[in-house]
Amino acid sequence: GAGVSQSPRYKVAKRGQDVALRCDPISGHVSLFWYQQALGQGPEFLTYFQNEAQLDKSGLPSDRFFAERPEGSVSTLKIQRTQQEDSAVYLCASSSGTTTNEKLFFGSGTQLSVL
Amino acid sequence: GDSVTQMEGPVTLSEEAFLTINCTYTATGYPSLFWYVQYPGEGLQLLLKATKADDKGSNKGFEATYRKETTSFHLEKGSVQVSDSAVYFCALSDRGGNQFYFGTGTSLTVIP
Repeated sequence: GAGVSQSPRYKVAKRGQDVALRCDPISGHVSLFWYQQALGQGPEFLTYFQNEAQLDKSGLPSDRFFAERPEGSVSTLKIQRTQQEDSAVYLCASSSGTTTNEKLFFGSGTQLSVL
Repeated sequence: GDSVTQMEGPVTLSEEAFLTINCTYTATGYPSLFWYVQYPGEGLQLLLKATKADDKGSNKGFEATYRKETTSFHLEKGSVQVSDSAVYFCALSDRGGNQFYFGTGTSLTVIP
């Protein structure tokens, strides 16, 4: 596609529900990142994939958070038993290379509200 | 650990005014530095970058110089336009790893 696509754009969940957030990166992009952006804050790193390999998951806040990219393209971020503190915008970004000098292309994000 | 601190907003300027948004960083190695911009309703976009000390990144009239001696990467524009209204994020990347660290963002509103 023309850019990074994320769905859904908005998600409202009741506390305790499981949610799944989808990211379609730019075709052919090797690297894929997930970020969490709380209101009024900058994006905070969650996890990084290089193709299908999850090379860094140090930013995942708890074992309720799980991400996968099984075929090295589309990625899903799953949050189990959602809590109110999980409310945030979840951003996906991709880049064509594997170095941190590369330009990141961001999606518009999924705004998650946990009631 | 690595981090970025940027000037808090919001910033409101009249059209054609001079803009400076301050950004300082802390890093253990030799990071690359970036400014990203988020227009209303859109995703973050790369505005400019610099990969080593004394490099100047520039784009759309914006400039920032990588100053190792002051650990800074301040964003400047000589004459802002209404269309520059957005949130600006300073960021650094850790060469040894694969993380980007973002500042908290500075909201800019330019009024006609």
